Amino acid sequence: NAGVTQTPKFRILKIGQSMTLQCTQDMNHNYMYWYRQDPGMGLKLIYYSVGAGITDKGEVPNGYNVSRSTTEDFPLRLELAAPSQTSVYFCASSSPLGSYEQYFGPGTRLTVT
Amino acid sequence: AQTVTQSQPEMSVQEAETVTLSCTYDTSESNYYLFWYKQPPSRQMILVIRQEAYKQQNATENRFSVNFQKAAKSFSLKISDSQLGDTAMYFCAFIHTGTASKLTFGTGTRLQVTL
Repeated sequence: NAGVTQTPKFRILKIGQSMTLQCTQDMNHNYMYWYRQDPGMGLKLIYYSVGAGITDKGEVPNGYNVSRSTTEDFPLRLELAAPSQTSVYFCASSSPLGSYEQYFGPGTRLTVT
Repeated sequence: AQTVTQSQPEMSVQEAETVTLSCTYDTSESNYYLFWYKQPPSRQMILVIRQEAYKQQNATENRFSVNFQKAAKSFSLKISDSQLGDTAMYFCAFIHTGTASKLTFGTGTRLQVTL
């Protein structure tokens, strides 16, 4: 049981490039989330999904896109990378039943130069 | 909208001593959970303790306990017998028990445990 996995762990992008951050969970959780954490700050919600085929915007969605074709996977797409997107990105998942605890992946450190 | 405030950006405690981290929140909801997450230098987010708003009894997990004051919207974390491994960022977080459960985080408190 790997929990929530994210790839890559680190990435450097040039301004204007695009990339996809991958997230997979093996706990059969319906809910999945993408957060970003800027230096010295808490986590802010980018997008979330309550099930396959259903996604919605969080607090800071501009410059990002998501899709959810399966329960397990929730990729985050960055189009036309900008320096303001330099951050650490966390994926998380949770079950709608029980304690509302969210399980986090190890994060991806992204630098846009 | 919910907000979570952590007013102590940094704290320091000696090994074996007790430290309390503060957190206040603002919500109009009545059904919610509160959490403390720990983020060590590895940056992994680790759940320390959770509190259900409907429970009056304060949650306890080994050396970690909370002081939950619902009327005051306060949720502090007490770490007893501090250990070097407790050195980390600590985030207070709130979640409303709705259909799309989204966590709202505070800005964090950096705790340094010293010898």
